[in-house]
Amino acid sequence: SQTIHQWPATLVQPVGSPLSLECTVEGTSNPNLYWYRQAAGRGLQLLFYSVGIGQISSEVPQNLSASRPQDRQFILSSKKLLLSDSGFYLCAWRTGVLGEKLFFGSGTQLSVL
Amino acid sequence: GQSLEQPSEVTAVEGAIVQINCTYQTSGFYGLSWYQQHDGGAPTFLSYNALDGLEETGRFSSFLSRSDSYGYLLLQELQMKDSASYFCAVPEAGTALIFGKGTTLSVSS
Repeated sequence: SQTIHQWPATLVQPVGSPLSLECTVEGTSNPNLYWYRQAAGRGLQLLFYSVGIGQISSEVPQNLSASRPQDRQFILSSKKLLLSDSGFYLCAWRTGVLGEKLFFGSGTQLSVL
Repeated sequence: GQSLEQPSEVTAVEGAIVQINCTYQTSGFYGLSWYQQHDGGAPTFLSYNALDGLEETGRFSSFLSRSDSYGYLLLQELQMKDSASYFCAVPEAGTALIFGKGTTLSVSS
């Protein structure tokens, strides 16, 4: 069966520190992978998506970057965190033909202080 | 681009029926998805409508009218565990799923 792992579950980081969030998928090959961010009480904002190794598309200019070093691994990074980077970060894997169905990881709650 | 509008909050009592509406404006339309998210958790897929009409899955149903650019999620026999945020979303060709801002449903006893 297909599963998606995301860690850590919670993270508290000081302003200006680096960030690395990792997401891995099991049970499938060549998945389309996504990073979303959700501010408190808000909707889901698409940050990055990837259709394959080394292929990253950015939806919103920001202080973050993403990488796809392996087929089933998707990493979200920042060199210097800002207060506005706080939020709930979700990795997702597309299971529908048109992308209508996403399966989400359990998310990382990031607090930048 | 895509934009989706849904009410920010809905309240109801146990056993009632509630309808959460979603209107959309898209440059290309493929269908409407619905997701549920409990507080602190990840969104989970509920339903997808590609064609006009009503799709029923247990206590939940979803409706789409492409001509009206409108859809809704219908929740019947509400239970306390249905208290959550509900998001409508549209797939954007070649990219990903674009979400509305969500509707917070509060079910009281």
